[in-house]
Amino acid sequence: AQTVTQSQPEMSVQEAETVTLSCTYDTSESDYYLFWYKQPPSRQMILVIRQEAYKQQNATENRFSVNFQKAAKSFSLKISDSQLGDAAMYFCAYFGNYGQNFVFGPGTRLSVLP
Amino acid sequence: EPEVTQTPSHQVTQMGQEVILRCVPISNHLYFYWYRQILGQKVEFLVSFYNNEISEKSEIFDDQFSVERPDGSNFTLKIRSTKLEDSAMYFCASSAQDSHYGYTFGSGTRLTVV
Repeated sequence: AQTVTQSQPEMSVQEAETVTLSCTYDTSESDYYLFWYKQPPSRQMILVIRQEAYKQQNATENRFSVNFQKAAKSFSLKISDSQLGDAAMYFCAYFGNYGQNFVFGPGTRLSVLP
Repeated sequence: EPEVTQTPSHQVTQMGQEVILRCVPISNHLYFYWYRQILGQKVEFLVSFYNNEISEKSEIFDDQFSVERPDGSNFTLKIRSTKLEDSAMYFCASSAQDSHYGYTFGSGTRLTVV
């Protein structure tokens, strides 16, 4: 079974600074997808960024980018120019090529300090 | 943008009572899912549903849980005899395909069992 680990339960960053959230995963599959979801206090799950495992190029969405290291099974999220609205719980998630459901990590709570 | 709608946003029920959580998936989606998030913990997959039957379920989804698509628009999760440990956030999701593409989460129902 696949597992997702986030070793940082809490992180904080100063507004306008850059922060990196870590994620590692374990799988025997070669094709899969990785995601970062944001969960603000409203508790809604919001997709931040997605990475296909077959793509070597790291995904980027505006201020959000990932560092995907397939051999190391590592998938970190970098948030540049952090904003107060970025404060939330961030979940790393795995979706298998033949699966129907996400496997989520335990989450990292990000605080943004003014 | 199309949304997955969940009602109610918060439900309080007495231990031992039956509860039904309701979801309206995106109209052209065919695959439906329930996830659970106990407070402070990770989001966990419960069940997936397609073509009027369960296609996959986790070990959490035991005999006290059931799902139903009673009409063309609603997708429900029933907990037969609630326990204190059923207190959690329950997320509904839907997708058009049997994949992560277009997979959309609802905003959740917070269930409190007292």
